[in-house]
Amino acid sequence: KAGVTQTPRYLIKTRGQQVTLSCSPISGHRSVSWYQQTPGQGLQFLFEYFSETQRNKGNFPGRFSGRQFSNSRSEMNVSTLELGDSALYLCASSLEGQYNEQFFGPGTRLTVL
Amino acid sequence: DQQVKQNSPSLSVQEGRISILNCDYTNSMFDYFLWYKKYPAEGPTFLISISSIKDKNEDGRFTVFLNKSAKHLSLHIVPSQPGDSAVYFCAARIQGKSTFGDGTTLTVKP
Repeated sequence: KAGVTQTPRYLIKTRGQQVTLSCSPISGHRSVSWYQQTPGQGLQFLFEYFSETQRNKGNFPGRFSGRQFSNSRSEMNVSTLELGDSALYLCASSLEGQYNEQFFGPGTRLTVL
Repeated sequence: DQQVKQNSPSLSVQEGRISILNCDYTNSMFDYFLWYKKYPAEGPTFLISISSIKDKNEDGRFTVFLNKSAKHLSLHIVPSQPGDSAVYFCAARIQGKSTFGDGTTLTVKP
C-alpha cells in the first residue's frame, strides 16, 4: 500500500506570494491533517479535514486555508507569504476514528525569501 | 500555553542501555497519547500509543508509561540501538486533534 505523498517536496517563494501544497493520503484514509514544523516550535497543528469538511482547526491566521476533495486528497494554501512561514509542512492521514495513529508524508519544505 | 512539553531537547545513551524519554502535559482531557520517531528528511513515523485508561503499553523494545495523576508519560527503549537515533515526539489527542511536543533528539552511541 502506497504511503502518504506530498508535492512538491521543496518550494521557494518570495514574500507576498501565495502557495498551494498537495497531499494524497493512504488509500482508504479519510482524515487528513496538516502540521507546520519549525525548529523552535515543534509540530504545530494547522487543521484536519474529514470527508471534505474541516473538522478541527489550530491557531493559525486566516492566510492558512485548506480543502479536501471527494477522493480524500487535500490541499493547503498560504496567501501573502511571510518570512516566518518558512517551515516544513507535514500532512498526515488516518483511518476514521480518533484513536488511530496518523501516517505522515515526507513533508514539503517551504522557504520564503 | 504549551499543552505538551518535552523538557529535554536531547538525550545521549550508550548502545545496549536504556533510553528514557519524558513528556508532560497540562490538559487532563487528553484521552490518547502517542510517540512518533522522526529521521531527517522524513515525516514522523508512529511508534507506540497508550489510552488514558491504561498505565502501560509494551511493544517489543518499546514501553510507554502513563502517570495520569502527574500528567506525565515516558517512553522506554531497552536495549537502545544506534538505529534508534532520531527525534522523538510525544503527542496527545483529544477529539481527534493531536498536540505535539517539541521533540527530543536521541543519540545512541555504539
